[in-house]
Amino acid sequence: DAKTTQPNSMESNEEEPVHLPCNHSTISGTDYIHWYRQLPSQGPEYVIHGLTSNVNNRMASLAIAEDRKSSTLILHRATLRDAAVYYCILRDDRKLIFGQGTTLQVKP
Amino acid sequence: DAMVIQNPRYQVTQFGKPVTLSCSQTLNHNVMYWYQQKSSQAPKLLFHYYDKDFNNEADTPDNFQSRRPNTSFCFLDIRSPGLGDAAMYLCATSREPTPTGEQYFGPGTRLTVT
Repeated sequence: DAKTTQPNSMESNEEEPVHLPCNHSTISGTDYIHWYRQLPSQGPEYVIHGLTSNVNNRMASLAIAEDRKSSTLILHRATLRDAAVYYCILRDDRKLIFGQGTTLQVKP
Repeated sequence: DAMVIQNPRYQVTQFGKPVTLSCSQTLNHNVMYWYQQKSSQAPKLLFHYYDKDFNNEADTPDNFQSRRPNTSFCFLDIRSPGLGDAAMYLCATSREPTPTGEQYFGPGTRLTVT
């Protein structure tokens, strides 16, 4: 499985946008880019995924670089409830292989 | 609400004493996964079922086994738990075994080995 690189931690202020980066320079043409997050003491939850084009859903937006070697998860207005570990995962089959993720802290 | 249920939420077992963790789902999904998550680490896939087809990860110890008697239930058996097996065990489901399929996770069972 291709690897991803994410910052260990990031901070944000409440109600401000947050941009979570992910580098995946060895991505292959069949890899989908998935984002999951894990709130404290809970199982991970799906956030968004994409292949080539930018994607939006009710939780977030996913911006994918033209060469697909990097992507950014965008939370448009961070809330305290968004404090979690965010995992960027490349996926070309039925499995999710988690990397270390980014711990997002949201300050009131 | 349809969901993934794990029982118990907390399990304490003794070193070497077999233990079974259970997972049930009301989503009628075809694929069920088991992950192990140790403290401050990312979840690690142990194995998964696609219908009745069992798929083991290459680095999953033989001490870990699984059963899926029907679509709704899946069990994780640890034959002889060691102290290093203390972790959160997460069950997840997916409708189909595709790279776009969303996985739905349960809340996890935290296993303590004494």
